[in-house]
Order: sequence, then structure tokens, then C-alpha cells
Amino acid sequence: ETGVTQTPRHLVMGMTNKKSLKCEQHLGHNAMYWYKQSAKKPLELMFVYSLEERVENNSVPSRFSPECPNSSHLFLHLHTLQPEDSALYLCASSQDRRNEQFFGPGTRLTVL
Amino acid sequence: DQQVKQNSPSLSVQEGRISILNCDYTNSMFDYFLWYKKYPAEGPTFLISISSIKDKNEDGRFTVFLNKSAKHLSLHIVPSQPGDSAVYFCAASNVGNEKLTFGTGTRLTIIP
Repeated sequence: ETGVTQTPRHLVMGMTNKKSLKCEQHLGHNAMYWYKQSAKKPLELMFVYSLEERVENNSVPSRFSPECPNSSHLFLHLHTLQPEDSALYLCASSQDRRNEQFFGPGTRLTVL
Repeated sequence: DQQVKQNSPSLSVQEGRISILNCDYTNSMFDYFLWYKKYPAEGPTFLISISSIKDKNEDGRFTVFLNKSAKHLSLHIVPSQPGDSAVYFCAASNVGNEKLTFGTGTRLTIIP
């Protein structure tokens, strides 16, 4: 595997479900990010992890819970989501927080 | 308040001609700008960047121009090729807050 991978690619869940999105980067980077992309809106930064520590949380509801167990892996745990949370969730990584970010293919999430 | 704006949601250009994608920003603290390209079902891919100390950066068929006084940047693609058909996002970051702020994207279609 090369680059940034995300699983699953598609996810449909009910509002009472608990699920997790997984991201893995094979680039040796030290920063990882979660973004949300809703239709006709810019990419919205949700969380930033640098050297496995969360350094930014952009006022994201607590029903989204990130986890970064090591510099290569990032999870987004989902619990009691709302239909408006349906979106494309993108993971990215970079070497240091200023440099160009490399994105995964995204997880298309639908909340029923 | 959208700090990075791409006012043209779509653009069609004849193959072989020049494509010009525009981006405006409002935050005068932004000092680093990037362009990303996104194909359907894939994550954004980094294309080219420019620091605020420069007004032009070139990489093959892609050139980014920065006009700081107008708070405007543009991406020129010449000659345009069918494989350039994609959605293009501009993004910006500033010293002290390294998160990327994205525009809403411009869908470029190259007509054979």
C-alpha cells in the first residue's frame, strides 16, 4: 500500500449505530488530519494530530471522536450521528503541519 | 465568513488552450497558497504551491500567480489536456495557524 488509505470507502449507518473510520498513511509523515466535505461547501478541517497529539479541534460535536494511536494511523469514531452528518470524510497527512497535505480517497458516509 | 473564494463553480476550455482558474482571499495574514486537483471518487491531490514572498511559481504546464495587493491568485494550465478535467481547489494558510482553508472548488472540463 502506498500513500494514504481509508476504510471503508462507503458507509451507511443509522442514527443509533456506532462505527469507526480508519485512515493509514504510508508516507512517514508526522501530522494527520480529518476533513469533512459536504455538498457545495469547502473542505472543513475537523481535527489535526501532530506527533500523535491532538493540536486542533474545530468545534466539532462530541459525537465525532478522533483517535491517533501512532503516527501512521488515525481513526474517527462515530456515535449517534445525525442525517446532516452525511458527507465525504477525508483523511490527510503531511510532514510538519505547514507542508503539502496528501489526501486519502475518502469515506462516503450516509446517515439514515 | 468564507476566507477563500472560488467564484466560478465551473469552467469549460477547449483542448490545447489555456485554462485559468481564479481564487480570491480575504485574510491578509495568509502567506502560503496551494492548488489541489480532485477526480471523482478520489481524494484531492496536491498540484502546486506558492509562498507570499513570490508572485509566480511554475511547474511544467502549471503556473500559479499571486497578486498580494489584490488578494488574488490564479492557476494557469497550458496547454490544457483532457486529463486535466477535474475539480480544482485553492487553499491558504497563515503563520501561527497552519491549518489549510479551502475554497469551494471549480470544476474544469476540457473539451476535446
